Amino acid sequence: AQSVAQPEDQVNVAEGNPLTVKCTYSVSGNPYLFWYVQYPNRGLQFLLKYITGDNLVKGSYGFEAEFNKSQTSFHLKKPSALVSDSALYFCAVRDPLMFSGGYNKLIFGAGTRLAVHP
Amino acid sequence: ETGVTQSPTHLIKTRGQQVTLRCSSQSGHNTVSWYQQALGQGPQFIFQYYREEENGRGNFPPRFSGLQFPNYSSELNVNALELDDSALYLCASSPLDRNTEAFFGQGTRLTVV
Repeated sequence: AQSVAQPEDQVNVAEGNPLTVKCTYSVSGNPYLFWYVQYPNRGLQFLLKYITGDNLVKGSYGFEAEFNKSQTSFHLKKPSALVSDSALYFCAVRDPLMFSGGYNKLIFGAGTRLAVHP
Repeated sequence: ETGVTQSPTHLIKTRGQQVTLRCSSQSGHNTVSWYQQALGQGPQFIFQYYREEENGRGNFPPRFSGLQFPNYSSELNVNALELDDSALYLCASSPLDRNTEAFFGQGTRLTVV
């Protein structure tokens, strides 16, 4: 069964320091991987995705993620954190084998709350 | 902003009542999915509509139902509301392209009392 794990409920980092939010996945076939961010009382905003190609993916707001097939991981990173990055981050996977007739189910992790301190 | 709009933003209902939530998808997107996000959890897939038909469903009972209209907008209906139905309900739209991400609305916060 497909699944996504975000092992940290919360990550604390000082402003200006690098940040990493971890994600591991379990899926049959080659995964389609996504990161979304959620601010209070808001929906999910797309950050970046891995479909194929280069293992290092660059996304919005200076975020990037590294796909590691051998470790089944897709960690989110940013070289220098901002206080405004404080939010809830979700990793999600879409199993391409399930994509037929427009079927577009995403499986989400439980989320990691990022707190960036001044 | 994603172009996906949901209404209402907040709703309070009594246990046993029925509720209808609405979603307008982004222009050009013909697939709409609904997710339930309980407090402190990640979104859970409810079902998806494509060409006005349900073509995928998560682990939710039949009292969760939906519609998609010719303009690709959608409704989520929940009958016989239970306290555990209290959650943020998210609508996501996407084109028929496996390489394209889903775009989410801001959600409807449903509270069942």
